[in-house]
Amino acid sequence: GAVVSQHPSRVICKSGTSVKIECRSLDFQATTMFWYRQFPKKSLMLMATSNEGSKATYEQGVEKDKFLINHASLTLSTLTVTSAHPEDSSFYICSARDLRLVNTEAFFGQGTRLTVV
Amino acid sequence: QQPVQSPQAVILREGEDAVINCSSSKALYSVHWYRQKHGEAPIFLMILLKGGEQKGHDKISASFNEKKQQSSLYLTASQLSYSGTYFCGTEMYGNEKLTFGTGTRLTIIP
Repeated sequence: GAVVSQHPSRVICKSGTSVKIECRSLDFQATTMFWYRQFPKKSLMLMATSNEGSKATYEQGVEKDKFLINHASLTLSTLTVTSAHPEDSSFYICSARDLRLVNTEAFFGQGTRLTVV
Repeated sequence: QQPVQSPQAVILREGEDAVINCSSSKALYSVHWYRQKHGEAPIFLMILLKGGEQKGHDKISASFNEKKQQSSLYLTASQLSYSGTYFCGTEMYGNEKLTFGTGTRLTIIP
């Protein structure tokens, strides 16, 4: 299957600082990338959908000013957690799809475990 | 709205069979099935697109019912490597986002 690389895999930051997470599709072009958040033993909750070259669409309850998403190219999307607080600690996962192709699966990155201290 | 999976958790002995169900309150365009190991990203298993479709490889198969609001994943002669949490991901018509179900934790014991 296709490869999606997410970086960093783990990050610890101080409260009040910002953290950037990168999601790259290595061997295909991702027209659409999705950002999920996952709490321990829980399902993946969709935070936002980003299409290359346009603004992200956020799910209800997700603060767009806190979770900044950029999808500047067909191979890279970034999620920036701004002014992070301990309650932002979580497992963040991106997935990528090329929706120009019919009925394709979503490929997932390895995930980023964020700990805010 | 998040699809509901059942059961929430199941423990099997190696070689036993399991069925995991995924139910949506709305008509679906497609259903994707994933398995996730602790601390790792979900791994794609299969996608079902048509009502009545059944698909499978090795000893894992799935079906997507005619009304297109439910899907089931079948695991036969389970192996230790099947342990993990299984999620269905549902896609509705005209909406490309995948909404994941509540999850089913499967534990295989020797």
